[in-house]
Amino acid sequence: QVHLVESGGGLVEPGGSLRLSCAASGFTFSDYYMSWIRQAPGKGLEWVSYISRGGHTINYADSVKGRFTISRDNAKNSLYLQMNSLRAEDTAMYYCARPVEMATGHDAFDIWGQGTTVTVSS
Amino acid sequence: IVLTQSPGTLSLSPGERATLSCRASQSVSSSYLAWYQQKPGQAPRLLIYGASSRATGIPDRFSGSGSGTDFTLTISRLEPEDFAVYYCQQYGSSSITFGQGTRLEIK
Repeated sequence: QVHLVESGGGLVEPGGSLRLSCAASGFTFSDYYMSWIRQAPGKGLEWVSYISRGGHTINYADSVKGRFTISRDNAKNSLYLQMNSLRAEDTAMYYCARPVEMATGHDAFDIWGQGTTVTVSS
Repeated sequence: IVLTQSPGTLSLSPGERATLSCRASQSVSSSYLAWYQQKPGQAPRLLIYGASSRATGIPDRFSGSGSGTDFTLTISRLEPEDFAVYYCQQYGSSSITFGQGTRLEIK
């Protein structure tokens, strides 16, 4: 069964850092681009970033560019999001998601994790 | 590309037909538009991709249509489990964007 499990969320002060992880199982992780998508409390969905299968192609939303870094370890079937210089507006549930088609980051997402909560507050 | 969904809230009864709209600020290339359903405390669930293709396991009462800047999700006969929030998403531009959502509530 295909699964994505996020971890690493928590409470952090403004300006702080946090590293999120997403563990994948039930499919060949290295075959797929992967994305992070977030949802602020009571708000809609916002795509954050995607990374290509080998990690060489990366794209970020303007709202996180220069502060967040996406990476992956295909040997560990894991996706990461390093978040620096965190702001109150980064408070959200963070989901990792797998696209329908393997070879693109610009796609719909058919597999989602359950999410991990990040709260930025003093 | 900014996606605007309407209405913000739709109040209907089980058995009725629901029509949800998603309008894009510019043309969505190759009909790269998807629809999701989200229930409280759950991750979004993909319903439709490529504007009109149903995702795996999605009942045929859900259908998508449209092209260019105007897209529609139709639920032919509402079941009790269909009352949720629905989002559209475009993935045809360099930055993926979502609409603000339509809440489908029981009348």
